[in-house]
Amino acid sequence: GDSVTQMEGPVTLSEEAFLTINCTYTATGYPSLFWYVQYPGEGLQLLLKATKADDKGSNKGFEATYRKETTSFHLEKGSVQVSDSAVYFCALSRTGGGNKLTFGTGTQLKVEL
Amino acid sequence: DADVTQTPRNRITKTGKRIMLECSQTKGHDRMYWYRQDPGLGLRLIYYSFDVKDINKGEISDGYSVSRQAQAKFSLSLESAIPNQTALYFCATSGGKGDTGELFFGEGSRLTVL
Repeated sequence: GDSVTQMEGPVTLSEEAFLTINCTYTATGYPSLFWYVQYPGEGLQLLLKATKADDKGSNKGFEATYRKETTSFHLEKGSVQVSDSAVYFCALSRTGGGNKLTFGTGTQLKVEL
Repeated sequence: DADVTQTPRNRITKTGKRIMLECSQTKGHDRMYWYRQDPGLGLRLIYYSFDVKDINKGEISDGYSVSRQAQAKFSLSLESAIPNQTALYFCATSGGKGDTGELFFGEGSRLTVL
């Protein structure tokens, strides 16, 4: 079945550091890929997405590129802020699957001054 | 007001009790989902519904049931709660005009079963 693997956390960075959170997936066909973010005490919200190979999703300074050859969708940001501290989830949905998402386990990011 | 509202936000109960978590949405979406979140396991799908007459089991439906009372309401029930159902539960919606595949989540219902 479908699965998503992302790097374990927590990841602790200093403000303005470069961020990479790795995500790889296993799925048949051509899934859509997502990054969701969960701030403390809140529900998940969409950060960015990509629906086909080589697409780049971007939002709020975060980027991720859909790499079919490596089945990856790594999240990057050039300069993190304290306000980026949250849990980040990589997820996929199959075409025609009714938007059902398969999630990774989540990666907690802590950004310190 | 939130577009996806869950009640209660927090609940402590005892083993064997019946619990209902409710979800209502004002987004006009036809699809609704219940997920549970456990540390180190991410979110796992319990049940989903694509319209009022359509109910489907997710990957971890055992011990749970759902009811889609209206397009806007989707309830999750634990008929006889057990401690390993202690988790954070999320309702989500999607669909409607201009569906982009995005899920919209409520703020979560934290359930503790003693």
